[in-house]
Amino acid sequence: IAGITQAPTSQILAAGRRMTLRCTQDMRHNAMYWYRQDLGLGLRLIHYSNTAGTTGKGEVPDGYSVSRANTDDFPLTLASAVPSQTSVYFCASSVARNQPQHFGDGTRLSIL
Amino acid sequence: DQQVKQNSPSLSVQEGRISILNCDYTNSMFDYFLWYKKYPAEGPTFLISISSIKDKNEDGRFTVFLNKSAKHLSLHIVPSQPGDSAVYFCAASVTFNKFYFGSGTKLNVKP
Repeated sequence: IAGITQAPTSQILAAGRRMTLRCTQDMRHNAMYWYRQDLGLGLRLIHYSNTAGTTGKGEVPDGYSVSRANTDDFPLTLASAVPSQTSVYFCASSVARNQPQHFGDGTRLSIL
Repeated sequence: DQQVKQNSPSLSVQEGRISILNCDYTNSMFDYFLWYKKYPAEGPTFLISISSIKDKNEDGRFTVFLNKSAKHLSLHIVPSQPGDSAVYFCAASVTFNKFYFGSGTKLNVKP
């Protein structure tokens, strides 16, 4: 079934460790996005990519980096995790940036 | 400061009645608005959208209304069904650039 796959589904991580959240889509969508969802704040955009080879900063980019080496993959890296990065992370994609986004099922990340 | 606000964290409605979910925004440059539905342990799924050149868009039981002067968006679900019980997020963007989401409203449709 076509869609977005996120891995891992959940992770507990010690503060200071490096972590990469994986996101793969098989819909050949051009645009991809990373959001974090926190209670009372909804979804906030971390980084986005309108097409392979390009990335941009969202609303809350600090402490996170992304890369878009090809169309299908859009990994999100926390170089040195901090407890405030405890959240549920959603990856999304869209055919183009003016189209609705399709979301993965999320990664629940806890930083201790 | 949040640019898109959903001031009602929860809403309870009887099956068969109308559900009205509200969303307010502060940025007058927003020109594209969407509603997403989210079930527990799943990602949000797209429901319906509206461009700022319209004031209403309908899709089956779902209708979105846009009041630009009031900077207000609402989603009407008629008739409501138990399967509609979920968290609903509104989102907005300026020329499809970054999307800003509200904090969500949890809808409970009672049988």
